[in-house]
Amino acid sequence: KNQVEQSPQSLIILEGKNCTLQCNYTVSPFSNLRWYKQDTGRGPVSLTIMTFSENTKSNGRYTATLDADTKQSSLHITASQLSDSASYICVVSLNTGFQKLVFGTGTRLLVSP
Amino acid sequence: SAVISQKPSRDICQRGTSLTIQCQVDSQVTMMFWYRQQPGQSLTLIATANQGSEATYESGFVIDKFPISRPNLTFSTLTVSNMSPEDSSIYLCSVAAGGGHYEQYFGPGTRLTVT
Repeated sequence: KNQVEQSPQSLIILEGKNCTLQCNYTVSPFSNLRWYKQDTGRGPVSLTIMTFSENTKSNGRYTATLDADTKQSSLHITASQLSDSASYICVVSLNTGFQKLVFGTGTRLLVSP
Repeated sequence: SAVISQKPSRDICQRGTSLTIQCQVDSQVTMMFWYRQQPGQSLTLIATANQGSEATYESGFVIDKFPISRPNLTFSTLTVSNMSPEDSSIYLCSVAAGGGHYEQYFGPGTRLTVT
């Protein structure tokens, strides 16, 4: 069964600190892995997309890693800001002609002042 | 990129009634998707709506309950029919647009509460 699991479920950090979110997946056939940020009351917004051959990709203070051998990914947030408070969703795309997505349940991050 | 708007943004409906959610995109796109996000859960694909063809529904979702229209390349509607409290959820429209990775953009969602 295609599954994407994320940890932790929730996290509270102080503003300015770094944090790392984890994603494990069992998805086949794999096409790419995405990290989305979902603010409360809004739709998900793409942060990074990585294919099988990419093991790291950055978008500003967000850096995603991918280990295709162990089927693990992480999202590292540097120097957190209050606006980083959101849910972060790991999504794996199936290579089925069009991009069918398998969603994780997300990590809810709260950055406190 | 694609900018997506949805109407209504939220609604409270009575059991047994129906609600139609509208999705408008600022550019022409071939593939549109409707998702459901139940409280505390991940997104679940309801159906794929391509212009000029019948929507393709995922397992567990049927056309009688979630009829979809796709009259042109910038607009789609999803109707939630004969609602029950279990239909309380956020419904999101999404489009695939451009790029080799078929980047998907999401609308802001419609928060539905059924009483």
